[in-house]
Amino acid sequence: QKEVEQNSGPLSVPEGAIASLNCTYSDRGSQSFFWYRQYSGKSPELIMFIYSNGDKEDGRFTAQLNKASQYVSLLIRDSQPSDSATYLCAANFGNEKLTFGTGTRLTIIP
Amino acid sequence: EAQVTQNPRYLITVTGKKLTVTCSQNMNHEYMSWYRQDPGLGLRQIYYSMNVEVTDKGDVPEGYKVSRKEKRNFPLILESPSPNQTSLYFCASQREGLDTQYFGPGTRLTVL
Repeated sequence: QKEVEQNSGPLSVPEGAIASLNCTYSDRGSQSFFWYRQYSGKSPELIMFIYSNGDKEDGRFTAQLNKASQYVSLLIRDSQPSDSATYLCAANFGNEKLTFGTGTRLTIIP
Repeated sequence: EAQVTQNPRYLITVTGKKLTVTCSQNMNHEYMSWYRQDPGLGLRQIYYSMNVEVTDKGDVPEGYKVSRKEKRNFPLILESPSPNQTSLYFCASQREGLDTQYFGPGTRLTVL
């Protein structure tokens, strides 16, 4: 069974600090990884995707991928109250299909 | 505006009464998927379609049917709903490549 695991949280971070969200996956053959943000009662929206080992930055968001350790993370710098949401990690195990983790609930404390 | 629409957004029904949840996208995407989201279980794929008349099972297909007769539409059919199908359902579409996946607004289904 190919799996994606996340700490369900909740994770509380003070406003302006760095929020760090972590995800591990079970299949060494996974090629691509995705972070989605989901506000309560809303649909998931894609924040970032990463295919290569290392860091990928987009504004306040940085995705980090370590394929040897089967680990992907999302850093949110200068956290804002509007970043409070559930963050879903997903991996592509092939055939244009995604397997999602159960999500980490993040709360930014003003 | 590029979007994925689903109808209905909310539905309460009874066991055994056939229902259809519609999904439509206006982006000319080849790929479309249906997911269900349950507390503690995350998003799980039910069915997906790679193009017109091409569909395949996802991780939890039991009790569901789909069809893809037109590129823009991908309805989800529950022939005989049961209470364990009470869930939040999302349709998604993408062109080739997962970095362009868009989700619909969701359909909250309750089966009594």
